Amino acid sequence: QVQLMESGGGVVQPGKSLRLSCAASGFSFGSYAMNWVRQAPGKGLEWVAAISPNGKNDFYADSVKGRFTISRDNAKSTVYLQMNSLRLDDTAVYHCATVISVLVVWNWFDPWGPGTQVTVSS
Amino acid sequence: IQLTQSPSSLSASVGDRVTITCRASQDIGVYLAWYQHKPGKAPKLLIYAASALQSGVPSRFSGSGSGTDFTLTITGLQPDDFADYYCQQLKSHPPVTFGQGTRLEIK
Repeated sequence: QVQLMESGGGVVQPGKSLRLSCAASGFSFGSYAMNWVRQAPGKGLEWVAAISPNGKNDFYADSVKGRFTISRDNAKSTVYLQMNSLRLDDTAVYHCATVISVLVVWNWFDPWGPGTQVTVSS
Repeated sequence: IQLTQSPSSLSASVGDRVTITCRASQDIGVYLAWYQHKPGKAPKLLIYAASALQSGVPSRFSGSGSGTDFTLTITGLQPDDFADYYCQQLKSHPPVTFGQGTRLEIK
């Protein structure tokens, strides 16, 4: 059974850093691109970042470019989101998601994890 | 590419047929998906490529459209269907973009 589970969320002050993890199981992790998507309180879904199956290519939303870094460890079947210089408007539930087709970056997201809460507050 | 969903919310009863629309700011062909999201849960892919039903999704869900106008239809609402629904485009990326969402509530 394909499963994704995020961890690493918490409460952090503005300007600080946090690293999220997403552990995958039940599929050939190294063959699939991975994404991070967030949902701020009362808002809709916002794509944050994507990484290619081999980890050599990464992509970011303008709102996080230069502050967030996506990476992956295929040996551990885990994708990470390093979040630096956190701002109040980064407060959200962060979901990881894989895609439905192998070896492509841009594809439909399925499945997703249930998410981890990140709260940026002074 | 901006996606605009309508309505933002709607109330319906079990057994009803409901339609949610998604309009793209430019032609995206059939590069559109629909997701269901319940609070505290993982979003779920329902429809991709505008009209293809994802494996395991009940056949009461259907999608149609191309270009700039798309619809998600649920025929015979079930109690489990009350949730938020989002469209997503994959024609132009990055970024991947989502509509603002439609909340489907029990009447």
